[in-house]
Amino acid sequence: GAVVSQHPSRVICKSGTSVKIECRSLDFQATTMFWYRQFPKKSLMLMATSNEGSKATYEQGVEKDKFLINHASLTLSTLTVTSAHPEDSSFYICSARVSGTGEVGYTFGSGTRLTVV
Amino acid sequence: AQSVTQPDIHITVSEGASLELRCNYSYGATPYLFWYVQSPGQGLQLLLKYFSGDTLVQGIKGFEAEFKRSQSSFNLRKPSVHWSDAAEYFCAVGDSGGSYIPTFGRGTSLIVHP
Repeated sequence: GAVVSQHPSRVICKSGTSVKIECRSLDFQATTMFWYRQFPKKSLMLMATSNEGSKATYEQGVEKDKFLINHASLTLSTLTVTSAHPEDSSFYICSARVSGTGEVGYTFGSGTRLTVV
Repeated sequence: AQSVTQPDIHITVSEGASLELRCNYSYGATPYLFWYVQSPGQGLQLLLKYFSGDTLVQGIKGFEAEFKRSQSSFNLRKPSVHWSDAAEYFCAVGDSGGSYIPTFGRGTSLIVHP
C-alpha cells in the first residue's frame, strides 16, 4: 500500500532556530501533500496544501513566512519551521493524497513531535 | 463548508464489550467519509472509508461503519473491543466535488478497561 515516511519523529530545538521536517512517499508519486498541526487533545488542523512544482496553498491564519513548505519532487515535501518559538511546539503530521480507480484516499506520516525550548 | 461532529470526547468500555463511536457530518452532496485511528505519538491509520455503494462498510481490525444519509451519520462499530483498541479515533469528511481534502472531527478517545 501507499506509505509515507516522515522524519524526524521528534526534535528539540532552541528558540530562534529553524527546523526542517521531511515527508517522503515511498512507493508512489504524491503530487499533492498536506501538512497538519495537532494540538494536545485536539483535532488535526490543516496548515497547507502543497502541490509538486508549485507554491503551497496556506490555510487562513497560517503564517507562510514562518512555515515554509517545499514540494520540489513527486516524492518529497518539506516543512521548515523558521525562527521557532515555544508556541510552535506541537505535533506535525504530513499526508499524501493517493488516487486510485474512481477513489481518492489519504495516507499519513507517523508525525513529528517538535519541542522548542 | 463541510464539517464533522464527534459528540463524545471520551468513551470507556470494558474489554469484550461492543463499541459504537458517533460521527455526524455536514455536507451538501454525497460525501467521502473516513474513520482513522491514532495511537499516542503516532500518525493516523485508515480504518475504513465510504465513497459510494453499500452503506455498511467493513474495515480493518474488525471495525465497520454505516453511512446513514437521512441522519447524516457515519458511526463506527466493533462487536467486541480489545485492549489494543484503546486510541484516539477521528471521523473525517472529504469533499467529493472538488479538492477531496478531509475535514476532521475533534476525535473520540477510547478507553478500554480490562
